[in-house]
Amino acid sequence: DQQVKQNSPSLSVQEGRISILNCDYTNSMFDYFLWYKKYPAEGPTFLISISSIKDKNEDGRFTVFLNKSAKHLSLHIVPSQPGDSAVYFCAAKTLYNFNKFYFGSGTKLNVKP
Amino acid sequence: DVKVTQSSRYLVKRTGEKVFLECVQDMDHENMFWYRQDPGLGLRLIYFSYDVKMKEKGDIPEGYSVSREKKERFSLILESASTNQTSMYLCASSPVGEEQYFGPGTRLTVT
Repeated sequence: DQQVKQNSPSLSVQEGRISILNCDYTNSMFDYFLWYKKYPAEGPTFLISISSIKDKNEDGRFTVFLNKSAKHLSLHIVPSQPGDSAVYFCAAKTLYNFNKFYFGSGTKLNVKP
Repeated sequence: DVKVTQSSRYLVKRTGEKVFLECVQDMDHENMFWYRQDPGLGLRLIYFSYDVKMKEKGDIPEGYSVSREKKERFSLILESASTNQTSMYLCASSPVGEEQYFGPGTRLTVT
């Protein structure tokens, strides 16, 4: 049973527009959330994270929003660039098992020039 | 820069063979992980290790074993490879409780 879900397997966006990638989770004990980006033939790389005590974290063009009551987080990329085309995974962990991360199934983002 | 290297990018093995996947990290991280990535299923944890000679089962350990004799090296062993173990295998390392750094992956095909 997947505790972290990404219900959209793919997303296509025009260059310069906003990309919004969504992630839902079921475990209310999750207290730390991350987004990873993965290019083909490479391993995932860490992108941005957020602690459960916050509802927003920004890093340049990337912003992660956390809605704890809805058990939902989203990654916003503004403006989107063709180089952002990749698979994006969200991940979460709990305070009591802080070494184990639960990953979603990924969303493939295609940014069209 | 953290570097996690995996011994092979592509590997083709026959059913029943014993397969070794090697992973080395150069940042003195305590934790090391093995995942497999399959379409629609994301990254699933096979095993992780939090110290030399220490290991813990992940979500899908059946058919796999691991070895960590040195802090920088973590091996995944398929005792008798089967076709349903055809997958992308990703190794990662991390300091305790922090984000993981991934290797480039090994695409294993079992025929």
